[in-house]
Amino acid sequence: GEDVEQSLFLSVREGDSSVINCTYTDSSSTYLYWYKQEPGAGLQLLTYIFSNMDMKQDQRLTVLLNKKDKHLSLRIADTQTGDSAIYFCASRAGGYNKLIFGAGTRLAVHP
Amino acid sequence: KAGVTQTPRYLIKTRGQQVTLSCSPISGHRSVSWYQQTPGQGLQFLFEYFSETQRNKGNFPGRFSGRQFSNSRSEMNVSTLELGDSALYLCASSTGTGGFAGELFFGEGSRLTVL
Repeated sequence: GEDVEQSLFLSVREGDSSVINCTYTDSSSTYLYWYKQEPGAGLQLLTYIFSNMDMKQDQRLTVLLNKKDKHLSLRIADTQTGDSAIYFCASRAGGYNKLIFGAGTRLAVHP
Repeated sequence: KAGVTQTPRYLIKTRGQQVTLSCSPISGHRSVSWYQQTPGQGLQFLFEYFSETQRNKGNFPGRFSGRQFSNSRSEMNVSTLELGDSALYLCASSTGTGGFAGELFFGEGSRLTVL
């Protein structure tokens, strides 16, 4: 069935770049998403990419999509302590708003 | 413009009771979908409504139901609550069609505790 996998934990130093990786299984995925969740909060949409794109850049965020390998990555440049959170990768297939989420990557930023 | 609004934010129920959660989508959005988040199962899709019709459903028992009103506001109901229903219930809002169909915004969630 449909599945999304991501590593559970990433620790980086403040000012460095963070790269969070994700793999998905559904080859019919149309959109792929990155969400951020802070403690006690909902999901904040960071960015999303349409499946016919290879890359999308939005300020400090860069998303890379390798459709052949079904691999998605999120790069955060100049990582700050405020970036500490859980980051979820999600895939969406078809015309409906059903997202399949990964388990989330906990990003810890230390001085 | 205002984001996705979910009420109540927190609630405590006992086993066997039922609960209704509400979601007001972003103005102009016609699609509302619901998700359950638990530490063990992560984020799981419950169902989606578009123009008052359920157009997709996840793998949850019939105790979980929902509806959407003509103003796009949505409610979900869980009957005969079980301890395992304790979770954060998240609502997501989208235009559902057109050029911005990819954008899917979530509310802050309703945190349900079942005792």
